Amino acid sequence: QKEVEQNSGPLSVPEGAIASLNCTYSDRGSQSFFWYRQYSGKSPELIMFIYSNGDKEDGRFTAQLNKASQYVSLLIRDSQPSDSATYLCAVKGGGQAGTALIFGKGTTLSVSS
Amino acid sequence: DTGVSQDPRHKITKRGQNVTFRCDPISEHNRLYWYRQTLGQGPEFLTYFQNEAQLEKSRLLSDRFSAERPKGSFSTLEIQRTEQGDSAMYLCASSLGGDRGPAFFGQGTRLTVV
Repeated sequence: QKEVEQNSGPLSVPEGAIASLNCTYSDRGSQSFFWYRQYSGKSPELIMFIYSNGDKEDGRFTAQLNKASQYVSLLIRDSQPSDSATYLCAVKGGGQAGTALIFGKGTTLSVSS
Repeated sequence: DTGVSQDPRHKITKRGQNVTFRCDPISEHNRLYWYRQTLGQGPEFLTYFQNEAQLEKSRLLSDRFSAERPKGSFSTLEIQRTEQGDSAMYLCASSLGGDRGPAFFGQGTRLTVV
């Protein structure tokens, strides 16, 4: 069974620090990787997606992918209290895996001011 | 409002009843997804449409669940003979082509089966 694992947290960081969120996946054939942010009681919002090994930066967010280690991470620089939310990692398989994203359970981030 | 719209926002039903939810995607989006989420869990894939064609359905989904997307516009998700285990947030999402997965989620329909 394909799995996506995340530490549930909570991960607590002070305002202005770097928050590092990690995710591992079991399907070595996975091709696309996504990070969503979900505020309490709200729907997920797509933050970033990454397909290739290495880093991808978008503003204060950096996604990092290492397919050999089956590991994807999200770094949030200059963390703000408004970043406090649950961050969901999602993985899409390759080949005949179709379009379904498999989500992890999410990591709760708390940024203190 | 040009986002993904879901109706109703909340539904309470008695066990054994049928329920139907509606999703209106962003108008130009050809891809539509249904997910289900329970407390403390990530969204669980239910089904996917590209235009009016249902291209993928979770093997975990029982035959009590059915979805349609007539004319490739809005979509409906029906649950027949509801069970208490069906209580969850039902999320609809849409996207426009590419390989970006569900880009925009609606606010969801919270189903409570009593």
